[in-house]
Amino acid sequence: EAQVTQNPRYLITVTGKKLTVTCSQNMNHEYMSWYRQDPGLGLRQIYYSMNVEVTDKGDVPEGYKVSRKEKRNFPLILESPSPNQTSLYFCASSQGQRGGYTFGSGTRLTVV
Amino acid sequence: AQSVTQPDIHITVSEGASLELRCNYSYGATPYLFWYVQSPGQGLQLLLKYFSGDTLVQGIKGFEAEFKRSQSSFNLRKPSVHWSDAAEYFCAVAAGGTYKYIFGTGTRLKVLA
Repeated sequence: EAQVTQNPRYLITVTGKKLTVTCSQNMNHEYMSWYRQDPGLGLRQIYYSMNVEVTDKGDVPEGYKVSRKEKRNFPLILESPSPNQTSLYFCASSQGQRGGYTFGSGTRLTVV
Repeated sequence: AQSVTQPDIHITVSEGASLELRCNYSYGATPYLFWYVQSPGQGLQLLLKYFSGDTLVQGIKGFEAEFKRSQSSFNLRKPSVHWSDAAEYFCAVAAGGTYKYIFGTGTRLKVLA
């Protein structure tokens, strides 16, 4: 089944403890992206990647890092999480701009 | 700068009634436009998309949308709503040449039995 898989689905952590949210797609898509969803703000793009080793900042990149060493994986790294990063995070992939994104099921992160 | 506006935060319709969700965008060139649906606890699913050609596009689950350049709008419609359509709907625009999607803030649809 074609899908984008994120792990974990739920995560509670403490301020400052580094964490990684994994994202993997099995559709051989070139393009991948991370979004965060907050009430009343819709989805905001954190980072995106147009291919292996090619990444760029979205609208809200502060406090996040990404890497794209393999085509299928695009992990999101929070080096020192803070409470304002409590949010619902989505990974997405696309074969082309016209195709739209396929989204993962989301990771609900709480930073206390 | 690109932007997307969904004027209605909440909409309530009765099952079987028609539906129209509004989306207005701001973008200099012809944008790529999308509608997504998010059911509770789920990710977003692509309903339909427009990038060129026929301005009336058909999507999944009986939805359609019409691109109106003169009004900078891309409204989503369905002739007869089903209870399972209750969800949150997002309009999005893709800036040409990039993968920077701009999403609206969403419209939450409630369906009355």
